[in-house]
Amino acid sequence: RLQLQESGPALVKPSETLSLICDVSGASLSGTSYYWGWIRQAPGKGLEWIGGISYSWTTYDNPSLKSRVTISLDTSKNQFSLRLSSVTAADTAVYFCARDGSNFGYFDLWGPGAPVTVSS
Amino acid sequence: DIQMTQSPSTLSASVGDTVTITCRASQSISSWLAWYQQKPGKAPRLLIYKTSNLETGVPSRFSGYGSGTEFTLTIAKLQPDDFATYYCQQYNSYVGLTFGGGTKVQI
Repeated sequence: RLQLQESGPALVKPSETLSLICDVSGASLSGTSYYWGWIRQAPGKGLEWIGGISYSWTTYDNPSLKSRVTISLDTSKNQFSLRLSSVTAADTAVYFCARDGSNFGYFDLWGPGAPVTVSS
Repeated sequence: DIQMTQSPSTLSASVGDTVTITCRASQSISSWLAWYQQKPGKAPRLLIYKTSNLETGVPSRFSGYGSGTEFTLTIAKLQPDDFATYYCQQYNSYVGLTFGGGTKVQI
């Protein structure tokens, strides 16, 4: 059964780049035709879509994040990644990776989430 | 961006009640709406997609309705496991996916 697991530093300094990886297990990324996404949730707040990537490497990101987002696929490691540059305290959140199994834009499988704090 | 507004933000109910959550879009999204359930410290769980289609394994007491700009999620005969926060999400365009602010269903 396919599972997702986020990993990366729990603490990032202001102005630096946040980097997270989502490990995909139970299926080969190169053998699927899904879209993959990143969503975050600030403490006590709602869900915010960060961006996503298709199986053909087309990327999409939230315009409100002002081009700070880079999402990539690494099929050799069976993972996809998120980089968010120039972080501030407002980027403190739990970051979820997720699968869009329909390729329409909703998420049917989620990782457990990785908390990230931006602080000096 | 399409804005999604949920109401109420908090809903108090009892086991056995039937409750309805409303989600309004700032412009028409046809039927491109999903609903999720989230419990504290956990990832969201997909309940419904394309307004009214139940995800596999989701109990039939959950139902969705609507089109265009107004949508509802109804939970019939609330069970203890249903006390959680619910989010709607529009996927009219992959350029800007957006979630509602959430509705907490509490005892």
